[in-house]
Parts: sequence; structure tokens; C-alpha cells
Amino acid sequence: IAGITQAPTSQILAAGRRMTLRCTQDMRHNAMYWYRQDLGLGLRLIHYSNTAGTTGKGEVPDGYSVSRANTDDFPLTLASAVPSQTSVYFCASSALPRTDTQYFGPGTRLTVL
Amino acid sequence: GQNIDQPTEMTATEGAIVQINCTYQTSGFNGLFWYQQHAGEAPTFLSYNVLDGLEEKGRFSSFLSRSKGYSYLLLKELQMKDSASYLCAVLDSNYQLIWGAGTKLIIKP
Repeated sequence: IAGITQAPTSQILAAGRRMTLRCTQDMRHNAMYWYRQDLGLGLRLIHYSNTAGTTGKGEVPDGYSVSRANTDDFPLTLASAVPSQTSVYFCASSALPRTDTQYFGPGTRLTVL
Repeated sequence: GQNIDQPTEMTATEGAIVQINCTYQTSGFNGLFWYQQHAGEAPTFLSYNVLDGLEEKGRFSSFLSRSKGYSYLLLKELQMKDSASYLCAVLDSNYQLIWGAGTKLIIKP
């Protein structure tokens, strides 16, 4: 089934721990994105990748890193988690970067204690 | 700064019509998206407007006025499954997508 998968579905993490959220798409989309969604706020872009091998910073990149070794995978790493990183994280992809419709994964609910 | 305004919450009755407004102030404009998001789920694409006017897609229509910085999503013949949040997002001059906080729509029988 074509689409985007994310893992884990949810996670409780101790502050200071390292965590990688996984995202895989099978639509052969060029662009991929990581957002966080917090109550009362719009989706905020963390990092993006316009094509395999390139990445860029979004609105709230501090404390997060990404890599894009191939077209399908776009993992998001929290090097040392802090409670303010408690959020729902969505991965998205689009066929073309920037202008195209974005399709979202089911999300990862992360709690940092 | 860039800003997208939507009502936080709206209530409507099953079978009725509801209009969800979105006003925006952004550095440039390259299109406006509407997404639907059911509780605990991912946003899903509803519509895209880049020119002024009304785009109709089944029970859902989206309107854009670029001169007024204004859009609305019109939902007709409301069904209980339409209970969700509706997100407005604008593509600015740098092709960055700016998201509103969303409007939670509650449908009552």
C-alpha cells in the first residue's frame, strides 16, 4: 500500500536520551518534511529535504537533526531529548519540493519526561 | 511577521452548511491549502487555491480572495464524519508553507 509510515507510534523518553524517529515513503516522492504539532499551534516545520542527499532547516530546527541517504527514508534524531520536545511529530512528503501537495504519515506521539 | 487566523472552534448541525474562514498576512502568496485532520490522525489534503474564486469538489468548496487575504472552506450536507479539525496553510514568497492552528468543527445530530 502506497504511503508514508512512521515508527514508533508513540514513545515515552527520559530527558537526556537520544531518540530517532523513523519515516519511510514508497511513493518515490522527491521532497520530505518533518513537522511538530502542539496544541493551539499550527504545524511547525523542523527540517526538510528537497531531494535525496540534501537537507535544510525549517522554522524550529534546534535540538533536531536529519539525514536523507536515499529517496525513501528520512529519519529525525533528537540528540538529547528535553521536555519541550514533547509533541506529535509528523513526517510528510511531496512529489516536488515546496509547491506540491504534501502527504502525511500517521505521526509519532513523543513524551519526554 | 506572518500570520494565519482561523476560528478555534465551530459547531454545526448534521445536514447543515458551515463556512470556515481563514485570513492570512504573509510575505507574498503562492497558493493556499486546506487540510482535514481527524483527532489522533494525520492531516489529509482537501483543496488548493492559487487564483481568486471558488473551487468546488463534491460537498466541499474552497474560496480565495488574494486582494483581501481571505479564504473560506464551505462544507455542505454535513455528516458526523466531518467532525475534525480543518487546517489552512499558505505558501509564501519563499515557498515556505505557513500553517494556521486549525479550526475544530463539532457536528451535532
